[in-house]
Amino acid sequence: ETGVTQTPRHLVMGMTNKKSLKCEQHLGHNAMYWYKQSAKKPLELMFVYSLEERVENNSVPSRFSPECPNSSHLFLHLHTLQPEDSALYLCASSQDASGPYEQYFGPGTRLTVT
Amino acid sequence: DAKTTQPPSMDCAEGRAANLPCNHSTISGNEYVYWYRQIHSQGPQYIIHGLKNNETNEMASLIITEDRKSSTLILPHATLRDTAVYYCIVRAHNAGGTSYGKLTFGQGTILTVHP
Repeated sequence: ETGVTQTPRHLVMGMTNKKSLKCEQHLGHNAMYWYKQSAKKPLELMFVYSLEERVENNSVPSRFSPECPNSSHLFLHLHTLQPEDSALYLCASSQDASGPYEQYFGPGTRLTVT
Repeated sequence: DAKTTQPPSMDCAEGRAANLPCNHSTISGNEYVYWYRQIHSQGPQYIIHGLKNNETNEMASLIITEDRKSSTLILPHATLRDTAVYYCIVRAHNAGGTSYGKLTFGQGTILTVHP
């Protein structure tokens, strides 16, 4: 498989559930990102990982917990979410976090919190 | 990173060139201009980027004015599949601070290509 993949593509969870989103990149990149896209709002950067180290946390609530076990995999652990957290969650990767490198996005996970 | 201004929507006839403008009057010398697009409910797709010279690839051309305060993305022969939201983003490249890989997306331009 090539590019950036995300699973699951759709997720419905209750406010008391714990779930995880998974992202995998097959591009040999060193940087990975989580973005959130709420309805009728621009994409918002959530987290940046460079060589498995978190280098940016864009004021994201602690109910979102990222994990980057290696440069190819990125997770977003979710717990006690609110209905307003319903959104499209997008993962991206790039060759490096700095420098003029384009980001490649996955298809996203459509999350609905009930 | 500098702010960008784009028209909220544009129309284009299939087969014609689509010219999407972007203003970035506060751009700094080390900031690049990036274009991405997002087809409905999919992840954004990188199109092209440039610093000060015009750029061309298999998808599009990027024309940056000499003063770098504005740019135009050109899709030379638009097709129905080019209907999407197009984002113009200005981004600096530095290895420190809080700008690591940060793409700041605005509302973009909704391009509709019609038959």
